[in-house]
Amino acid sequence: EAQVTQNPRYLITVTGKKLTVTCSQNMNHEYMSWYRQDPGLGLRQIYYSMNVEVTDKGDVPEGYKVSRKEKRNFPLILESPSPNQTSLYFCASSTTGVGETQYFGPGTRLLVL
Amino acid sequence: GENVEQHPSTLSVQEGDSAVIKCTYSDSASNYFPWYKQELGKRPQLIIDIRSNVGEKKDQRIAVTLNKTAKHFSLHITETQPEDSAVYFCAASRPTGANNLFFGTGTRLTVIP
Repeated sequence: EAQVTQNPRYLITVTGKKLTVTCSQNMNHEYMSWYRQDPGLGLRQIYYSMNVEVTDKGDVPEGYKVSRKEKRNFPLILESPSPNQTSLYFCASSTTGVGETQYFGPGTRLLVL
Repeated sequence: GENVEQHPSTLSVQEGDSAVIKCTYSDSASNYFPWYKQELGKRPQLIIDIRSNVGEKKDQRIAVTLNKTAKHFSLHITETQPEDSAVYFCAASRPTGANNLFFGTGTRLTVIP
């Protein structure tokens, strides 16, 4: 089954404790992206990747890191999480190019205390 | 960057009535406009999209219209059903080579049986 998976689905952590949210897709997509969703703000792009070893900042990259060492995986790293990073995070993937359908993962709900 | 505004933020309709959600965008170069539906606790899923060379697109009870001159696009749902209740997001994408989506802030649609 073609899908985007994320882990963990729920995470409670404390300020400053490094964490990684994994994202994996099995559709051989070149493009992958991370979004955060906050009430009243919609979905905002954090980072994106157009292919292996090619990553770039989105609209809200501060406090986040990403890597793309393999085509299928695009982990999101919070080196020192803060309470303002409490949010719902979605990974998405698509084939390259504007107008290609983006497929979203199930989401990761993060609470930083 | 691109700025997408979406209205209304909440919308309640009686079952069988029509619902209209409107979005405006700021970058005249944007050329791809998808609509996503997000049910409670679920991931966003594409329901319909339109490209800038088309003025209207229809898929059963759902239609999208685009006015490039005015830089606005709308989602129309006819004969609404309770299962249409969800949050709807519009988005716009610029022809930069990356499939980056700029989302509106969402409309919570409630269909009253």
